[in-house]
Amino acid sequence: AQSVTQLGSHVSVSEGALVLLRCNYSSSVPPYLFWYVQYPNQGLQLLLKYTSAATLVKGINGFEAEFKKSETSFHLTKPSAHMSDAAEYFCAVEGAGGTSYGKLTFGQGTILTVHP
Amino acid sequence: ETGVTQTPRHLVMGMTNKKSLKCEQHLGHNAMYWYKQSAKKPLELMFVYNFKEQTENNSVPSRFSPECPNSSHLFLHLHTLQPEDSALYLCASSQDLSEPTQYFGPGTRLLVL
Repeated sequence: AQSVTQLGSHVSVSEGALVLLRCNYSSSVPPYLFWYVQYPNQGLQLLLKYTSAATLVKGINGFEAEFKKSETSFHLTKPSAHMSDAAEYFCAVEGAGGTSYGKLTFGQGTILTVHP
Repeated sequence: ETGVTQTPRHLVMGMTNKKSLKCEQHLGHNAMYWYKQSAKKPLELMFVYNFKEQTENNSVPSRFSPECPNSSHLFLHLHTLQPEDSALYLCASSQDLSEPTQYFGPGTRLLVL
């Protein structure tokens, strides 16, 4: 069975500072990995995804994530935070095959707060 | 309309009511999903449909009844719900189960009194 762990349910940064949101996964096969963002009273919006191509993935709004197989990690970063980045961020994994086929397993989410 | 839409956006119902949530996707996808999002809990997958056939029922109580009449529409029929069923219900779609990238609707915020 797959699992996703997001380290830190709340992260607070100053505007202009580096954003780092951590995600570790467990999967018995090479996974597909995703980051989604959820703004208040809205659904989830896809930020970026890793599907076994380049290990450094660039997404929307200046975010990127690096797949590190040896560390089973897929951390999300942004060089300079903006006030509009304040939201909840979810990491998700899909491990093709078996009972996990076509299903995403989500982490518990990290709420990002950006201070002026 | 583009993407995935859900109606209504907000719903208040009593425990004896019957209501339905509607989801429509305009992406030409063949797989659709219902999720439940409760406070302080990870997203819970409820149901999966692929080419109109249900492929997953994640031990959901029978007071939730899904319906997928075609690949573009997905319903969640609700009856005799409990207060603990209050949550945000999210619909998502993907090309099919072999392409796992899911696109989400805005959700229906449900309050059961």
